Amino acid sequence: DTGVSQNPRHKITKRGQNVTFRCDPISEHNRLYWYRQTLGQGPEFLTYFQNEAQLEKSRLLSDRFSAERPKGSFSTLEIQRTEQGDSAMYLCASSLAFAGSGGEQFFGPGTRLTVL
Amino acid sequence: AQKVTQAQTEISVVEKEDVTLDCVYETRDTTYYLFWYKQPPSGELVFLIRRNSFDEQNEISGRYSWNFQKSTSSFNFTITASQVVDSAVYFCALSEHRGNTGKLIFGQGTTLQVKP
Repeated sequence: DTGVSQNPRHKITKRGQNVTFRCDPISEHNRLYWYRQTLGQGPEFLTYFQNEAQLEKSRLLSDRFSAERPKGSFSTLEIQRTEQGDSAMYLCASSLAFAGSGGEQFFGPGTRLTVL
Repeated sequence: AQKVTQAQTEISVVEKEDVTLDCVYETRDTTYYLFWYKQPPSGELVFLIRRNSFDEQNEISGRYSWNFQKSTSSFNFTITASQVVDSAVYFCALSEHRGNTGKLIFGQGTTLQVKP
């Protein structure tokens, strides 16, 4: 197993453009999380899926953000009409649902977004 | 509301010194989990330890040890005989059992620099 992978690793875009990130979790993990990390801060929870169902969204996730996990495997995070404040590292993590709230989350390397 | 505070922003030590990273948390839940993650310069978060709220036993793993005290809502991390490879950002995180989401609430992180 190669762990959690994320693509692209880096993305530079101009303000107003749309961007999409992909996360491939560990294959048997049915929970998938998205976090955002800005410079000098800890990761902040954005949303999570159990299988294909999106069960919680943070209020940080504005209407410009949408996440999907269509077949309960990989997930995409799209940001529409990007703003400079969206510049951050976007982290994906996966875990096993049966482990519940105490389950270890395995993190991917992240996608660093820079909005010019 | 849930919150994790890591008051030490940066710590610098010389190799072989012992160092303790502080973590204080807030939660109204009676069942919760505490975690420590390491984020090396490569950026990927690495799981170090998980503790549930009913287990206050201290834990030692090699040069790492953790001290969990519910009375002071603290979960401190000590590295004994630090090494240059320990240089990283360390995050303490909290997951509440309520809702069973597993989402992690992170502290702001402590940057540890170990000088040779």
